[in-house]
Amino acid sequence: NAGVIQTPRHKVTGKGQEATLWCEPISGHSAVFWYRQTIVQGLEFLTYFRNQAPIDDSGMPKERFSAQMPNQSHSTLKIQSTQPQDSAVYLCASSLDRGISNERLFFGHGTKLSVL
Amino acid sequence: GEQVEQRPPHLSVREGDSAVITCTYTDPNSYYFFWYKQEPGASLQLLMKVFSSTEINEGQGFTVLLNKKDKRLSLNLTAAHPGDSAAYFCAVSAPGNYKYVFGAGTRLKVIA
Repeated sequence: NAGVIQTPRHKVTGKGQEATLWCEPISGHSAVFWYRQTIVQGLEFLTYFRNQAPIDDSGMPKERFSAQMPNQSHSTLKIQSTQPQDSAVYLCASSLDRGISNERLFFGHGTKLSVL
Repeated sequence: GEQVEQRPPHLSVREGDSAVITCTYTDPNSYYFFWYKQEPGASLQLLMKVFSSTEINEGQGFTVLLNKKDKRLSLNLTAAHPGDSAAYFCAVSAPGNYKYVFGAGTRLKVIA
């Protein structure tokens, strides 16, 4: 079991460019989460999928961020027109989702996005 | 919504000393509590999962205390060693609420 795989580990974009981040959850996990990690804010919830269906994207900045899960083996987070304030580590996590909220989250190493 | 405040943001202790990290939360319905450890360059790893029904939880080299009355969760590292140097995050969730709310983290440095 390779754990949650995130690619790329580092991404540098220029202001206004697009960034796509990839996540491969642990096989058999039905819940996928995206968080944004900064020193100041810690971990901020972005969005959540259950069985590939988007359940809650209330943490996503509305205009430029979007997330998809086209199949059970990967999810993408796309940021259009990146801005310097988007610079952060983007974490993907997966878990079993048996209808209760006490499941541990398994995190990937994250993608460090730097917007110049 | 739930808010979690974690203190201190940075902590430096000498090897063999104890280290205490505290989280306070606001939602009285919160029932599941987690501590995660993130070593430099590594992913977050679960340290302990705590249920609302248990106030004292013993781990290897640490204790997690839950005070439901004060809505406070603490991680007590006894006899810290350099391998404990890492960032620690608490997380809180309520039954039926998948949205785990994390504290901002504590960066612990254990000096040999």
